Amino acid sequence: DGGITQSPKYLFRKEGQNVTLSCEQNLNHDAMYWYRQDPGQGLRLIYYSQIVNDFQKGDIAEGYSVSREKKESFPLTVTSAQKNPTAFYLCASSGALGVKLFFGSGTQLSVL
Amino acid sequence: KNQVEQSPQSLIILEGKNCTLQCNYTVSPFSNLRWYKQDTGRGPVSLTIMTFSENTKSNGRYTATLDADTKQSSLHITASQLSDSASYICVVSRHNNAGNMLTFGGGTRLMVKP
Repeated sequence: DGGITQSPKYLFRKEGQNVTLSCEQNLNHDAMYWYRQDPGQGLRLIYYSQIVNDFQKGDIAEGYSVSREKKESFPLTVTSAQKNPTAFYLCASSGALGVKLFFGSGTQLSVL
Repeated sequence: KNQVEQSPQSLIILEGKNCTLQCNYTVSPFSNLRWYKQDTGRGPVSLTIMTFSENTKSNGRYTATLDADTKQSSLHITASQLSDSASYICVVSRHNNAGNMLTFGGGTRLMVKP
């Protein structure tokens, strides 16, 4: 999966709980992204970061938060404010020109 | 509105047969078009990337075409194999001040049967 590691593979969230999805890359890429994938729908952008200590909201950022304290890491927190969190979450990174996107293997989040 | 529509939603073919997947888009301004292959429960993997000036690009048994005038692309798979069973996602990129912004199609789910 192109040097991007997501963990865990499966995650279960209880009502009212915050959970954090991990994403680490060793590709020396500046830009990192979080996408949400629902069955039969296109990937939707949650947050992206083009440089350390900076990140931008995507199309569906409500109920999510991120941090980018290190170039290699871009964790995503699904907060209790996200009322429909069940989905497949994909992390991606790209180099300087942003042309080629490399994806992690994904985290399936489900609600207990 | 920037949209990417793929057809068919799902497709079943016999091993060894060819197939063609379609992608229509309304994304503007156009930067490039990408096709990805996504195995179940895995992240997408890039197959091809085409810019405005390219109208065909191959990657082994996969051949992508692009008609920028009609805003259509196709992905042709030749001599299908069981390992081709996956979802194929069309992604169109537009460029703005924030960089390359991507719009994803919903994918075509291909099943290759022996």
